[in-house]
Amino acid sequence: SQTIHQWPATLVQPVGSPLSLECTVEGTSNPNLYWYRQAAGRGLQLLFYSVGIGQISSEVPQNLSASRPQDRQFILSSKKLLLSDSGFYLCAQGTGLGYTFGSGTRLTVV
Amino acid sequence: GENVEQHPSTLSVQEGDSAVIKCTYSDSASNYFPWYKQELGKGPQLIIDIRSNVGEKKDQRIAVTLNKTAKHFSLHITETQPEDSAVYFCAPDTGRRALTFGSGTRLQVQP
Repeated sequence: SQTIHQWPATLVQPVGSPLSLECTVEGTSNPNLYWYRQAAGRGLQLLFYSVGIGQISSEVPQNLSASRPQDRQFILSSKKLLLSDSGFYLCAQGTGLGYTFGSGTRLTVV
Repeated sequence: GENVEQHPSTLSVQEGDSAVIKCTYSDSASNYFPWYKQELGKGPQLIIDIRSNVGEKKDQRIAVTLNKTAKHFSLHITETQPEDSAVYFCAPDTGRRALTFGSGTRLQVQP
């Protein structure tokens, strides 16, 4: 079965600080990987997706970036956080038969 | 891209009643129709799905029905229980790109 590890679970960061969220996947090779963000009480906004190592597609222009240094590792980063970056960040992997989501990281920028 | 609309945005039912959530999509190439359940503070979890060659699928108390002509599919929950309280998302899939999720339906089951 597929398992997604996402950490940390919660994070409080000051405005202007850097960010690095990591996601690793078990149980499948060459997965499609996704980063979604969810504002409080809102839907899921696609940020980035990757179909392979080093291949990143960005859906929304912003101060966030993503990287995929290994087949089962997906990293979300920022050089300088904004207040508007606060939210619930979810990593997911998809095989064409639905997505499996990680447990999420709740980021609060103060 | 795919336009996905989900109704209602909130739904409150009494325990034991039925609940129905409808999802309308725009891309006729969509061929896979999943529903996800998100409990508070957790990631969404796939609860039921259907492919375009099937009109209805049932799994115990939950079912999904599909009308490809009208481009909508619905989630049906019967004999609702308090643990069904959550946010439900639809996400019609063309297989060509990342999923576009509906805006979500917050279901509250009153005991």
